[in-house]
Amino acid sequence: NAGVTQTPKFQVLKTGQSMTLQCAQDMNHEYMSWYRQDPGMGLRLIHYSVGAGITDQGEVPNGYNVSRSTTEDFPLRLLSAAPSQTSVYFCASSLNRGIQYFGPGTRLLVL
Amino acid sequence: DQQVKQNSPSLSVQEGRISILNCDYTNSMFDYFLWYKKYPAEGPTFLISISSIKDKNEDGRFTVFLNKSAKHLSLHIVPSQPGDSAVYFCAAVAGNNRKLIWGLGTSLAVNP
Repeated sequence: NAGVTQTPKFQVLKTGQSMTLQCAQDMNHEYMSWYRQDPGMGLRLIHYSVGAGITDQGEVPNGYNVSRSTTEDFPLRLLSAAPSQTSVYFCASSLNRGIQYFGPGTRLLVL
Repeated sequence: DQQVKQNSPSLSVQEGRISILNCDYTNSMFDYFLWYKKYPAEGPTFLISISSIKDKNEDGRFTVFLNKSAKHLSLHIVPSQPGDSAVYFCAAVAGNNRKLIWGLGTSLAVNP
């Protein structure tokens, strides 16, 4: 049982490049979410999904796309990276209300 | 508008003493509260939770107290250990909504 896995661990992009942050969980959790963490800003919800085929926006969705074709995977896409998207990104999944299990994070630097 | 507030960005305590981390909330619809612990370069991990029907929940060295009338909860760590040094996040959820509302965190340093 690997829990929540994220790849890559670290990525450097140039402004305007695109990339996909991968997230997978093997706990058969319906609820998955993406957060970004910035200094002094806590954890901010980007997008979330309550099940395969269902996604919705969080509080900071601009510049990011998501899809949920399977229960296990919830990739986060940056279509055109901007320096403001430099952050640490966490994926999380949940079965029961409230208790979320987090991946180890992806550190993204956009130059 | 911050619905969950952790007013102390940092806290420093001596090993063996009690650590008290505080959290205030504004939304009376919140009915479930959680504490997460985060080490550098790792994802947050769930620590302890409490339902609004209770005023205390204990798990080993960790106890969470809830004061609904004051819209305040606190996490007590007794005794504090150097390995407890981390950032602690308070979070809340309302009804069947699984979205967590997060505080900004308190950085705890436990000094040997």
